[in-house]
Amino acid sequence: DGGITQSPKYLFRKEGQNVTLSCEQNLNHDAMYWYRQDPGQGLRLIYYSQIVNDFQKGDIAEGYSVSREKKESFPLTVTSAQKNPTAFYLCASFQGPALGAGELFFGEGSRLTVL
Amino acid sequence: QKEVEQDPGPLSVPEGAIVSLNCTYSNSAFQYFMWYRQYSRKGPELLMYTYSSGNKEDGRFTAQVDKSSKYISLFIRDSQPSDSATYLCAMSAVTNAGKSTFGDGTTLTVKP
Repeated sequence: DGGITQSPKYLFRKEGQNVTLSCEQNLNHDAMYWYRQDPGQGLRLIYYSQIVNDFQKGDIAEGYSVSREKKESFPLTVTSAQKNPTAFYLCASFQGPALGAGELFFGEGSRLTVL
Repeated sequence: QKEVEQDPGPLSVPEGAIVSLNCTYSNSAFQYFMWYRQYSRKGPELLMYTYSSGNKEDGRFTAQVDKSSKYISLFIRDSQPSDSATYLCAMSAVTNAGKSTFGDGTTLTVKP
């Protein structure tokens, strides 16, 4: 089935460690996004990429890094510089024309907990 | 001040009730208006989207946009227990339709 695959589903990290969340899509979408969701705060954009080898910061990029070496893959690294990393992380890809309506397809999410 | 404000809820209604979910926004560049449904511990899924002002109906769901008031609504008729979820409004500008700004979500519980 086509879709977005995120892994791991649950992840525990000790303070000071970097962790990488995987996001793979087989929808052949050009654009991919990372959102963070905290209880009662909706989704906030971390990074996005509209094309391979290019990405832009979102609203809360500090303490995170990404890469986009392949169209199918958009991994997110949560670095030790991120002060409050415990959250639910959602990866999405976008189906639509560059200038027009479309749909964000989301993965099942990765829940990161800092011990 | 947030660009998108969503009525916080939570909402609890009996089965068969009509539900109204609402968002306001401040950014005049927003042209696309979406409603996503998110079940517990899952990723959101698109429920409806509308372009500019007007109404759009899909089965028991109606999305309404009033750009003059910067106000959007989602109505659910004959609500079912399976509608119990968190509903997120989202908006984007024409120049980058995938870069959506989300409301904080309203959690709805429909009791049988």
